[in-house]
Amino acid sequence: EIVLTQSPGTLSLSPGERATLSCRASQSVSSSYLAWYQQKPGQAPRLLIYGASSRATGIPDRFSGSGSGTDFTLTISRLEPEDFAVYYCQQYGSSTRTFGQGTKVEIK
Amino acid sequence: EVQLVESGGGLVQPGGSLRLSCAASGFTFSSYEMNWVRQAPGKGLEWVSYISSSGSTIYYADSVKGRFTISRDNAKNSLYLQMNSLRAEDTAVYYCARGHGAYGFSFDIWGQGTMVTVSS
Repeated sequence: EIVLTQSPGTLSLSPGERATLSCRASQSVSSSYLAWYQQKPGQAPRLLIYGASSRATGIPDRFSGSGSGTDFTLTISRLEPEDFAVYYCQQYGSSTRTFGQGTKVEIK
Repeated sequence: EVQLVESGGGLVQPGGSLRLSCAASGFTFSSYEMNWVRQAPGKGLEWVSYISSSGSTIYYADSVKGRFTISRDNAKNSLYLQMNSLRAEDTAVYYCARGHGAYGFSFDIWGQGTMVTVSS
């Protein structure tokens, strides 16, 4: 089973700053099957990025994804107040759909 | 409007059973694979189970294998999760989520969740 490890656990930043979130897989993941989600308190997760780098419908272009193999990154170019949330990466394997443990982006 | 609505959560004693439902609307349910994902209080997301569009292929997380059963009724646009032999560690919000092939089978639509509490 592929394990996804996200870092850091918490990122303390100010609005307008750049956020860089990491997701490392225990073995190679197809880029086609790596996604990122945003979750705010009391809400269901929302799909941000699929296929490692493609933005889902309606997602602002300040969100971008990159990476391949075992190392993937979600970048938020300039944090808006509504971006402070928890972010999860996820991989779609042959028989599992594993999530990382999440990175919380909090206001500094 | 594309929507998923879960129901069936509640309080159940350890060892008990519960059946969750997820009603889909606004899209052709029978064309999409579906999943259950849970989130324990204050914790991260945990994928629970997958079912293909036809229902012919099913997968489970190791943590629920042998205790939970996923199923669907495409005629009723509904997804189900039968949960047996429930444990305290099954306490969580349970979400149903649609897998979208055009999006690398990532989960593009989520329900609002239903809370399951396992406690005596």
